[in-house]
Amino acid sequence: DGGITQSPKYLFRKEGQNVTLSCEQNLNHDAMYWYRQDPGQGLRLIYYSQIVNDFQKGDIAEGYSVSREKKESFPLTVTSAQKNPTAFYLCASSIGGYHQPQHFGDGTRLSIL
Amino acid sequence: SQQGEEDPQALSIQEGENATMNCSYKTSINNLQWYRQNSGRGLVHLILIRSNEREKHSGRLRVTLDTSKKSSSLLITASRAADTASYFCATDSLIMNTGFQKLVFGTGTRLLVSP
Repeated sequence: DGGITQSPKYLFRKEGQNVTLSCEQNLNHDAMYWYRQDPGQGLRLIYYSQIVNDFQKGDIAEGYSVSREKKESFPLTVTSAQKNPTAFYLCASSIGGYHQPQHFGDGTRLSIL
Repeated sequence: SQQGEEDPQALSIQEGENATMNCSYKTSINNLQWYRQNSGRGLVHLILIRSNEREKHSGRLRVTLDTSKKSSSLLITASRAADTASYFCATDSLIMNTGFQKLVFGTGTRLLVSP
């Protein structure tokens, strides 16, 4: 079955540590996205990529970095510069263009030790 | 910034009843989408309605869109306990100078359907 796989499901970060969240899709989608969700809130866009080897900052990119070296993969690094990283992180993909739904993974919950 | 605002924030009903959730937004759109999120899971796309459409159906779901009032509603008929989830509306927002449309999500409605 096609879909999006996020790993790990739970992740703990120590102070001053960078951590990387994995996102892999086998839907052959061009566009991929990273969102942050805080309790009781909607989703906020961190980074997006319309095509391989290209990505753009979203609304809350500070303290995060991404890469898009392969169509299937869009890892997110939460750096030590992100002072409040505790949240639920969701990866999504879409065909791209207008009027297209996004397909989501099951998320990674990041907490601070 | 969040463009969509859902109302109510929480809704509790009995199985078999209908559930109606509303979404209001601020700027013009090309489409509006509804998603469902079960606790601790990712979002699942339910339905997309384009700005030139007024109503759309999918199974027990009925979505309406009123662009003059900048509002949409999601109706779930004959609800089931399995419909318990959070429901989000999302509107498209054009990113300047990119031709790329991102989705802007509301804060969601938490629906509880009791057996």
